[in-house]
Amino acid sequence: QQQVKQSPQSLIVQKGGISIINCAYENTAFDYFPWYQQFPGKGPALLIAIRPDVSEKKEGRFTISFNKSAKQFSLHIMDSQPGDSATYFCAASRTVQGAQKLVFGQGTRLTINP
Amino acid sequence: NAGVTQTPKFQVLKTGQSMTLQCAQDMNHEYMSWYRQDPGMGLRLIHYSVGAGITDQGEVPNGYNVSRSTTEDFPLRLLSAAPSQTSVYFCASSYGGRGNSPLHFGNGTRLTVT
Repeated sequence: QQQVKQSPQSLIVQKGGISIINCAYENTAFDYFPWYQQFPGKGPALLIAIRPDVSEKKEGRFTISFNKSAKQFSLHIMDSQPGDSATYFCAASRTVQGAQKLVFGQGTRLTINP
Repeated sequence: NAGVTQTPKFQVLKTGQSMTLQCAQDMNHEYMSWYRQDPGMGLRLIHYSVGAGITDQGEVPNGYNVSRSTTEDFPLRLLSAAPSQTSVYFCASSYGGRGNSPLHFGNGTRLTVT
């Protein structure tokens, strides 16, 4: 049972273009939606996150759009750069008895062509 | 500032062998967790701990044991390795157990079981 579904699995974008990765979740108990970025041979690192009471959050070239009614959220990377080439994971979190339960999407391998 | 340190980086086991994956963090984080990463599956939670002496199961706990005797260390034990446990394992920690505490990941252990 995949509680968070992520698409596409892979994405190729030209330098300067917009990269868009989409995620959908099922459990309305989730209350925090982070995105993690992973470079080859490294562990994931938090990129940006949003709470469900906000429809959009922007940090530099990275924007999360959140649609609570549709239970969907997406990551937009503006002016994509070759250094953005990485695997991106969306996630959804809920706190159960003081512990966060984080469920990850399947991941998107993003390649930015120079 | 080492962050989260995982050892070893690579390991090859034969079916039925046992081993312990080590994880240590120097950030005084209360929450620690283990994930496995498989292609097309994202990261799945194996076990987690909200503090020394407290552990609990995640999404895919079968075949793995953990203990948390100190705040710093959270080893993952495979008692009898199986080919299905071939994966990349990540340890992660966070300051608090709540959902808005970002996870800090180690660089992973790539395990192959033949």
